Amino acid sequence: EDQVTQSPEALRLQEGESSSLNCSYTVSGLRGLFWYRQDPGKGPEFLFTLYSAGEEKEKERLKATLTKKESFLHITAPKPEDSATYLCAVHSGGAQKLVFGQGTRLTINP
Amino acid sequence: DTGVSQDPRHKITKRGQNVTFRCDPISEHNRLYWYRQTLGQGPEFLTYFQNEAQLEKSRLLSDRFSAERPKGSFSTLEIQRTEQGDSAMYLCASSRQGGNQPQHFGDGTRLSIL
Repeated sequence: EDQVTQSPEALRLQEGESSSLNCSYTVSGLRGLFWYRQDPGKGPEFLFTLYSAGEEKEKERLKATLTKKESFLHITAPKPEDSATYLCAVHSGGAQKLVFGQGTRLTINP
Repeated sequence: DTGVSQDPRHKITKRGQNVTFRCDPISEHNRLYWYRQTLGQGPEFLTYFQNEAQLEKSRLLSDRFSAERPKGSFSTLEIQRTEQGDSAMYLCASSRQGGNQPQHFGDGTRLSIL
């Protein structure tokens, strides 16, 4: 069965302090790995799709990378508005469902 | 795109009552998904439609849950004889067909069972 584990569960940073969030996965035939951002009381907002090991995607202060076993979401010089829960999900095999990790709750203090 | 729309945003009901939620997907997205999310967890897949056909159902979806997508447009999710454990956020997502198109989520319906 596909499994996704995110670490850490929560992370507090000072504004401008760069860090990385981890997403480890075990799937049978990865077709895509997705990163989402979720604000309190809102639905997940799509950020990136990664398809193969070595691939990288960037958007503003966020950069997502992918290996055969894990993905990292690097956040550079974060701002308070980057505070949110970041979710990782995988799409595998012939199914259309996404399997999500439990998320990393990121807080950026000004 | 106007985004995925869900109604109502909040629903409070007594245990044993039936509830129905509605989802309007992004226009021209022919795939529609339902997920359930509890506090501190990621969303869990419930079911998936391609046009009007329900093609996947999770084992989480007990016989008290039923989903429809008449005419391949909006979808409804009904829960019969609600239980305390049904309290959660119910999220709807939609996507285009083909490849690994990203799923775009609505803001959910939060269900509270008294």
